[in-house]
Amino acid sequence: EDQVTQSPEALRLQEGESSSLNCSYTVSGLRGLFWYRQDPGKGPEFLFTLYSAGEEKEKERLKATLTKKESFLHITAPKPEDSATYLCAVQGSNQFYFGTGTSLTVIP
Amino acid sequence: GAGVSQTPSNKVTEKGKYVELRCDPISGHTALYWYRQSLGQGPEFLIYFQGTGAADDSGLPNDRFFAVRPEGSVSTLKIQRTERGDSAVYLCASSFSRNTEAFFGQGTRLTVV
Repeated sequence: EDQVTQSPEALRLQEGESSSLNCSYTVSGLRGLFWYRQDPGKGPEFLFTLYSAGEEKEKERLKATLTKKESFLHITAPKPEDSATYLCAVQGSNQFYFGTGTSLTVIP
Repeated sequence: GAGVSQTPSNKVTEKGKYVELRCDPISGHTALYWYRQSLGQGPEFLIYFQGTGAADDSGLPNDRFFAVRPEGSVSTLKIQRTERGDSAVYLCASSFSRNTEAFFGQGTRLTVV
């Protein structure tokens, strides 16, 4: 069964303190791994798509990487405005399977 | 519009009533998804449309839930005889094609009292 597990559930960082969020997955035939950011009361906002092991994508302070079993979202020198829940999803045959997310709080 | 639009943004209904939730996807997107999200959880799949047809409705919890997309654009999620357990945020997403990233709307917060 396709499954996504994210860790940690919650993460508090000081502004400027770099860290990584983990997404481990099991899926029969990966069609894509997706990272989203979700702010309270909002829908998920698309960040990255990764399709194959070894692929990397970057956007501002965020960098996503992919291996055969997991993906990491690296946050470099985070700012308070990076505070949000970060969701990982993998695409199965007809749907996206989401993890429960990592709630990130960046303290000024 | 530029993004996925969902209406209403909030809906409060009494137990047992019928509700309709509307999704207007990004123009040109053939794939449309409905998800449901409870507090502290990730989105949970309900149904996937490719064009006008429901390609996968395996996530609909029971026969009180139904969705349509008659012209391959706007979709409506219909819930009959609502129950308090149906309270959640209902999210709609669309994508250009099946294996590309999906873009989400802001969601409809449904509260059944």
